[in-house]
Amino acid sequence: SQQGEEDPQALSIQEGENATMNCSYKTSINNLQWYRQNSGRGLVHLILIRSNEREKHSGRLRVTLDTSKKSSSLLITASRAADTASYFCATVGSYIPTFGRGTSLIVHP
Amino acid sequence: EPEVTQTPSHQVTQMGQEVILRCVPISNHLYFYWYRQILGQKVEFLVSFYNNEISEKSEIFDDQFSVERPDGSNFTLKIRSTKLEDSAMYFCASSDVKGGQPQHFGDGTRLSIL
Repeated sequence: SQQGEEDPQALSIQEGENATMNCSYKTSINNLQWYRQNSGRGLVHLILIRSNEREKHSGRLRVTLDTSKKSSSLLITASRAADTASYFCATVGSYIPTFGRGTSLIVHP
Repeated sequence: EPEVTQTPSHQVTQMGQEVILRCVPISNHLYFYWYRQILGQKVEFLVSFYNNEISEKSEIFDDQFSVERPDGSNFTLKIRSTKLEDSAMYFCASSDVKGGQPQHFGDGTRLSIL
């Protein structure tokens, strides 16, 4: 299955700390995307990294991709209480993203 | 910033009844999608739609499901005879480019089947 699987399932940290979430997948991909979902809301696209890229930054977000290990990580630096949400990786082989089960992040103020 | 809007936010329906979920994608987008998320589970792809026809569909999207773009703005998902297991959040998404580009999601319709 191309489906990404996030790790850990749940993460609880203090405001100001960094949060790292990992995603592993099984088949080749064209790109990998990270989304955030606040409780009761839709998914919000955060960042897309293509299969020929190794690292990408957007504000406090840093995404890495290791296609040899079929894994990606999302780092949120200097976390804020507002970062509390579920984070999903989505792997894209053709053009439909396949989502994992997500990491639930709680940032305590 | 343009948004994908979905109505209603919550739909309660008796088992066996038909339900139509509505979406207004971002106006200049050409590709439309429906996803389902059962409570506590992952987001699952249902169907994609382009140029007035289904581009791709998953195993979940059986004969009970249909999609339509009845006019220039709305995109609908119909479930003909709802089952208890259809209870879920249904998300509509749209994108302006095919090929795994970021999709813009609505806030979803919570469908509860009694």
